Amino acid sequence: QVQLQESGPGLVKPSQTLSLTCTVSGGSISSGYYYWSWIRQPAGKGLEWIGRIYPSGSTNYNPSLKSRVTISVDTSKNQFSLKLSSVTATDTAVYYCARGDTYGSIDYWGQGTLVTVSS
Amino acid sequence: SYELTQPLSVSVALGQTARITCGGHSIGSKNVHWYRQKPGQAPVLVIYSGTNRPSGIPEQFSGSNSGNTATLTISRAQAGDEADYYCQVWDSSTAVFGGGTKLTVL
Repeated sequence: QVQLQESGPGLVKPSQTLSLTCTVSGGSISSGYYYWSWIRQPAGKGLEWIGRIYPSGSTNYNPSLKSRVTISVDTSKNQFSLKLSSVTATDTAVYYCARGDTYGSIDYWGQGTLVTVSS
Repeated sequence: SYELTQPLSVSVALGQTARITCGGHSIGSKNVHWYRQKPGQAPVLVIYSGTNRPSGIPEQFSGSNSGNTATLTISRAQAGDEADYYCQVWDSSTAVFGGGTKLTVL
């Protein structure tokens, strides 16, 4: 059973960079069948896709966030990471890491981690 | 950019059938996926590629997709089915989620 766990600071100051890591267990992040995504959800609102990365390092980003987002992968640690720069209060949300499959669905999700942007 | 439209809320009587729609331009030509999210929990995939149920999802969940509307159908609705439901597709290498529908079981 694949499991994903987000980790990182729960509080980030405005204008700084939000950094999160997702550790994958129960399966290899290097499997060519899957890709790895970040998704966020502000309190009381819907889901917003941030971006994805393939084991090869190829990425796709949400156009609305593309200028501020970097997703990377470390296959040796079975982890992938998110960096979101120049954050503001509107970036406050629960951030989920997740696995995507060949059908385009997202079949495994982390439990989510709340990141608050505040001084 | 591609947009998906869902009703904000749907109500269903206990034991009856709920239908949640997801509208998008020519969505019938896309793979549509559906997620259930209960309060304080991560979303769970309940339907993938329009009509398929992942392992562990009960038969009461079904899906259809044609034209400009995809539909998630929940038969014999129970109190435990109360949740937010989201549809999702891919468009130009970007994942798009619908705004979500809150299902209330009366």
